Amino acid sequence: DTEVTQTPKHLVMGMTNKKSLKCEQHMGHRAMYWYKQKAKKPPELMFVYSYEKLSINESVPSRFSPECPNSSLLNLHLHALQPEDSALYLCASSLYGSQNEQYFGPGTRLTVT
Amino acid sequence: GENVEQHPSTLSVQEGDSAVIKCTYSDSASNYFPWYKQELGKGPQLIIDIRSNVGEKKDQRIAVTLNKTAKHFSLHITETQPEDSAVYFCAVMFSGGYNKLIFGAGTRLAVHP
Repeated sequence: DTEVTQTPKHLVMGMTNKKSLKCEQHMGHRAMYWYKQKAKKPPELMFVYSYEKLSINESVPSRFSPECPNSSLLNLHLHALQPEDSALYLCASSLYGSQNEQYFGPGTRLTVT
Repeated sequence: GENVEQHPSTLSVQEGDSAVIKCTYSDSASNYFPWYKQELGKGPQLIIDIRSNVGEKKDQRIAVTLNKTAKHFSLHITETQPEDSAVYFCAVMFSGGYNKLIFGAGTRLAVHP
C-alpha cells in the first residue's frame, strides 16, 4: 500500500481566515513533504520533514506554517493568504529520504478569495 | 543550481504507437531519476524510476534509459493506450544531501484512438 491521504480535497478561504491542510500516511515513512503546484506547472517543494524535524524550508513565506505532530501526520497551517497562493497543495512521503521513492497524495485544491 | 529540462512539452500519438519523452539535467552527482504521471485532478503517481548504477529499467510497456555521461534520461512508452493520456514529469534528486526532487516542466501526452 502506497497511499498518502489529504484533507480537505477542496478549500476556499478568505484572506483573513486561518485554515489547516492535513496529510496522513501509514507506510512507516519517516520523511514527509509539502509541495505547491500551480496550473500547468510542475510541483515546487515547500518543506521537508525528516524524522519529524523540519529539514528544508524553501524560503516559504511565514503565512504558511508546517507542523509534524508525529511520524504519520503532517499539517500545513494557513493564515493571511493572498489570492496568488491559490494552487494545488500536495503532500508526499518517502521511507527515509534521499534515494527513496516519494509517493504523493491527491492534493488539496486551495482557492483564496 | 540544479536544472532539469524536459522535451517535448506536448506529444500527440495514435493508439498503439510509441511515445518518448526526454530530460536533461545539470548536476553530474545526481543519481536518482523518477518519472511521474499526473492525471487531471489527481496527484502525481510514480510510474518508474532509475538509479545511476543501471542504464535501463523496464516495467511492462514503460521503460527508462539513463545516460549519465551525457546527463540525460528518457521515458519510453510502447503500445500506447488512451488511458496513457496524462501529464508526465521527470525529476532528479538533488545531490546536495537533502531530499529535494527537481521536476521538469512536464509533457502533456495525448493518445488518440
